[in-house]
Amino acid sequence: KAGVTQTPRYLIKTRGQQVTLSCSPISGHRSVSWYQQTPGQGLQFLFEYFSETQRNKGNFPGRFSGRQFSNSRSEMNVSTLELGDSALYLCASSVGRINSPLHFGNGTRLTVT
Amino acid sequence: DQQVKQNSPSLSVQEGRISILNCDYTNSMFDYFLWYKKYPAEGPTFLISISSIKDKNEDGRFTVFLNKSAKHLSLHIVPSQPGDSAVYFCAASEDAGNNRKLIWGLGTSLAVNP
Repeated sequence: KAGVTQTPRYLIKTRGQQVTLSCSPISGHRSVSWYQQTPGQGLQFLFEYFSETQRNKGNFPGRFSGRQFSNSRSEMNVSTLELGDSALYLCASSVGRINSPLHFGNGTRLTVT
Repeated sequence: DQQVKQNSPSLSVQEGRISILNCDYTNSMFDYFLWYKKYPAEGPTFLISISSIKDKNEDGRFTVFLNKSAKHLSLHIVPSQPGDSAVYFCAASEDAGNNRKLIWGLGTSLAVNP
């Protein structure tokens, strides 16, 4: 079974630009979650989508948004990039049941200059 | 404010010995705990979990212990192997209807020396 695929692996953007990251979950998984990882803050939850609906949301500004398609693939968008948005963005999929383990992709490393 | 704390940023053990990774939490409503392992340039992978109705869960070389009164859990790896060298994250969640989300610790980097 193919794992969670995130594209691109690396991205360099400048302040003020916007960026879209993509995540393909494991086949059959209907839940996709997004996390931001930075050295000082660890993994911070962004949001979770389940069956094309946002089911849960973390404490990030509205510049961070996402969506999920009917095939469970998900995209995350960050608008008006700031230097502090430089991080590893991780996507995780699961079957969506309570406490079902998350399966992570290898992440997208975003650098904002 | 960190609700899940891993107070040891790093740990070094000899191959064959026991590795003990610790995690403390502050929210008494957390009822499910997980450990993930992360290698460089890869996403975290699920290792083991425990529900608050238990105090121990074992899976091969990995055992997680939960002490609810102390709000403390630990991961024991016996025997430790060089391939176990990775960053280990503790995560916790509480039952809020359908709105579960994981709160993560900052991780402990484990080095197992041959």
